[in-house]
Amino acid sequence: NAGVTQTPKFRILKIGQSMTLQCTQDMNHNYMYWYRQDPGMGLKLIYYSVGAGITDKGEVPNGYNVSRSTTEDFPLRLELAAPSQTSVYFCASSYHGSYNEQFFGPGTRLTVL
Amino acid sequence: AQKVTQAQTEISVVEKEDVTLDCVYETRDTTYYLFWYKQPPSGELVFLIRRNSFDEQNEISGRYSWNFQKSTSSFNFTITASQVVDSAVYFCALSEALGAGGTSYGKLTFGQGTILTVHP
Repeated sequence: NAGVTQTPKFRILKIGQSMTLQCTQDMNHNYMYWYRQDPGMGLKLIYYSVGAGITDKGEVPNGYNVSRSTTEDFPLRLELAAPSQTSVYFCASSYHGSYNEQFFGPGTRLTVL
Repeated sequence: AQKVTQAQTEISVVEKEDVTLDCVYETRDTTYYLFWYKQPPSGELVFLIRRNSFDEQNEISGRYSWNFQKSTSSFNFTITASQVVDSAVYFCALSEALGAGGTSYGKLTFGQGTILTVHP
């Protein structure tokens, strides 16, 4: 049982490039989330999903897109990377939503130069 | 809108000291859930505790204890006899049961985090 896995662990992008951050969970959780953590700050929600085919925006969705075609996978797409997207990105999942704790992946450290 | 405030940006203690991390929250929901997470230097987020708004009982787990007071909207975390391994960033977080749209789907609002350094 691997829990929540994220790839890659590190990535450097040039301004204007695009990339996809991968997130997979093997706990059969319906709820999945993407957060970003800027230095010295707490995590902020980018997008979330309550099941396959259902996604919605969080607090800071601009510049990102998501899809959820399966229960296990919840990729985050960055289009036209900007220096403001330099951050650590965490994917998380939970069984029920509000009631249950979220399980976090190890994070992806992204730098945009 | 929901909000979580951790006023202590950094705390530095010497091993074996007790330390309390403060967390104050704001929400209009009557049903909500509070969490503490630990982020050690390795970077991952580790779940420590969940408390629902109907349960104001304090909780103790080994050297860790949590004090939940609805009257002051606070959910403070105390580490007794701190150890070097407790050095980490600690986050308090809130999830509303309903939220503005009728259901919050478990979206977490995090505080800014408190950096705890325990010196040997």
